[in-house]
Order: sequence, then structure tokens, then C-alpha cells
Amino acid sequence: EVQLVESGGGLVQPGGSLRLSCEASGFIFKNYNMNWVRQAPGKGLEWVSYISRTSDTIYYADSVKGRFTISRDNAKNSLYLQMNNLRTEDTAVYYCARVRSSTTSSLDFWGQGTLVTVSS
Amino acid sequence: QSMLTQPPSASGTPGQRVTISCSGSSSNIGSNTVNWYQQFPGTAPKLLIFNNNQRPSGVPDRFSGSKSGTSSSLAISGLQSEDESYYYCAAWDDTLNGSVFGGGTKLTVL
Repeated sequence: EVQLVESGGGLVQPGGSLRLSCEASGFIFKNYNMNWVRQAPGKGLEWVSYISRTSDTIYYADSVKGRFTISRDNAKNSLYLQMNNLRTEDTAVYYCARVRSSTTSSLDFWGQGTLVTVSS
Repeated sequence: QSMLTQPPSASGTPGQRVTISCSGSSSNIGSNTVNWYQQFPGTAPKLLIFNNNQRPSGVPDRFSGSKSGTSSSLAISGLQSEDESYYYCAAWDDTLNGSVFGGGTKLTVL
């Protein structure tokens, strides 16, 4: 069974940092591209970042570029999101999601999400 | 980051057919495939339609997707009470080099 389990969320002050983790199981993690997607309270989905299977291709939304860093460790079946200089508008549930295949941008499995709250 | 445009709400009665539209541009829907997600409050999104009109295993054939030019539609036939949920469209954007989502449509089954 495919599982994605996020962790690392919490309450942080503006300007602070957090590192989110996503542990994958039930599939060959190194064979899949991955994404982070977030959802602010009561709002819609917002794509955050993408990383290819071998980490050679990485993309970020303009809203997080220069502040967030996506990475992965295929040996540990894990995806990460290092978030620096956090702003109140970064408050959201953060989901990691698997890209279904190399021929689509669709996300076929999602974690349960981890809540990040940026507030003083 | 630009968003795809969806109506904020839609509704229908049980058994009815409803459609939800999604409008984009040449850099996203116009040049890439569209995906649709279903999300119940407090839970993670679920992939409903991928590559414009393909259903993942386990998704009922009451759900169908289509694309024409820079727009896409999700159709739900034989509407059921359990279809009451939020629906999001998404596509890759070649200009932004990222995915863009629609704002979401809340479907109410009357």
C-alpha cells in the first residue's frame, strides 16, 4: 500500500524556519517525481515545489522561490522541504504528493498533510 | 502564480448530470493535459481524472473529463449525495514552470 507521511509542521514566528519531511513507503520512491502542495485555512490548493527522481530538475512557485528548498534522499525514501524566512501567508497544511508517471503532471497519492502556522 | 478559473459553486439534485468548468490559457491547459481532484473537508485531495479524460482505478465511470482548447470540464452523471465535495482542476504551466490549480468548486447535492 502506497503511503506518504508528512511531519515537521508546527508553530513558528515570522522570519523563522521549519523543515518538513515526507516518508514514503509501499512503492519504489526513487522512481517517482515528487511535489509539495499547500492549502491555507479555508482556501484552495497551491502548488509549492517539484523535484525529479534524481533531483536534477527542481521548480518552485514564485511565492516561495528563494526561501524554500526542496530535496530528497532516495536511500531513506524521504522528501524534504526546508522553509526559511517564513511569512504569515505561508500558514497552511502542506501535502507531499507523488507524480503518477513521467508522462503526466497528475498527483496520484497524497500524504495526510502537516500544518504549518506562522504567527507571532 | 496564476490560477485556473473555476466557478466557486455548483449544484444538482440526485441523479442529475452536472458539469464544472475550468478555464486556462495557452501556456497551461492549451499545451498540457488537465487533471481533476476531489477533496472532502479535512482530508487530502484525491486524483479523480488525469490526462484530460483518464480515470484512475477505482474511480466510478460517472466521472468524466474533457478538454477543448484552453478549457476543460468535469462531468458527473447520476449525481449522488456522496459526490458533495470540492473539486479542483490543475495543469502544468510552461511559462511558470510549475503546476497551477483552479480555485476550486464546491459541489452541493440538493
